[in-house]
Amino acid sequence: AQSVTQLDSQVPVFEEAPVELRCNYSSSVSVYLFWYVQYPNQGLQLLLKYLSGSTLVESINGFEAEFNKSQTSFHLRKPSVHISDTAEYFCAVSDLGSGGGADGLTFGKGTHLIIQP
Amino acid sequence: ETGVTQSPTHLIKTRGQQVTLRCSSQSGHNTVSWYQQALGQGPQFIFQYYREEENGRGNFPPRFSGLQFPNYSSELNVNALELDDSALYLCASSPLAGEGNEQFFGPGTRLTVL
Repeated sequence: AQSVTQLDSQVPVFEEAPVELRCNYSSSVSVYLFWYVQYPNQGLQLLLKYLSGSTLVESINGFEAEFNKSQTSFHLRKPSVHISDTAEYFCAVSDLGSGGGADGLTFGKGTHLIIQP
Repeated sequence: ETGVTQSPTHLIKTRGQQVTLRCSSQSGHNTVSWYQQALGQGPQFIFQYYREEENGRGNFPPRFSGLQFPNYSSELNVNALELDDSALYLCASSPLAGEGNEQFFGPGTRLTVL
């Protein structure tokens, strides 16, 4: 069985400051890792994913995440946040070879990123 | 390219009733998954359909059932509704089952059970 822990339920930061949203996972097998963003009253949008290869993955809007196998972590970072980044962020994991398939994605409880002007 | 669509957007039912939620997958996608997102929680996997058959299931009772149609659209049926079934129900589609494919989510249906 897999599990995902997002250590912070809420993270307030000032606009243009850096931010890190923490995600740790537990799994007995190799995994794929995802970060999704959910804006108010909307569904989930994929922010970035780690499937294989380089452990540092980047999104088109300035976010990046680094897969650390020894620490079983996949923390999300952005060097300078904007008001528009205010949203709920979810870390998710799936078994290698499943990819959100027969066992689905396992999500954390989410981190609410609050950008203060 | 049309994304994942879900209907209705909101629904209010009473305890004991039955409900059907609908999902149209993104063009070119043949796999549909359903998730339940309770307030303040992350989504929880209900089940997945591939080639019109249930391909995997999470920890949900049999009163949660589904269908997938030849055009890859899908339905989620919930019988004997309970108060705890109140949640946002999300549908996600992907091009292929497994192999690390990204899941594309719809906007969800918010179900309230009174």
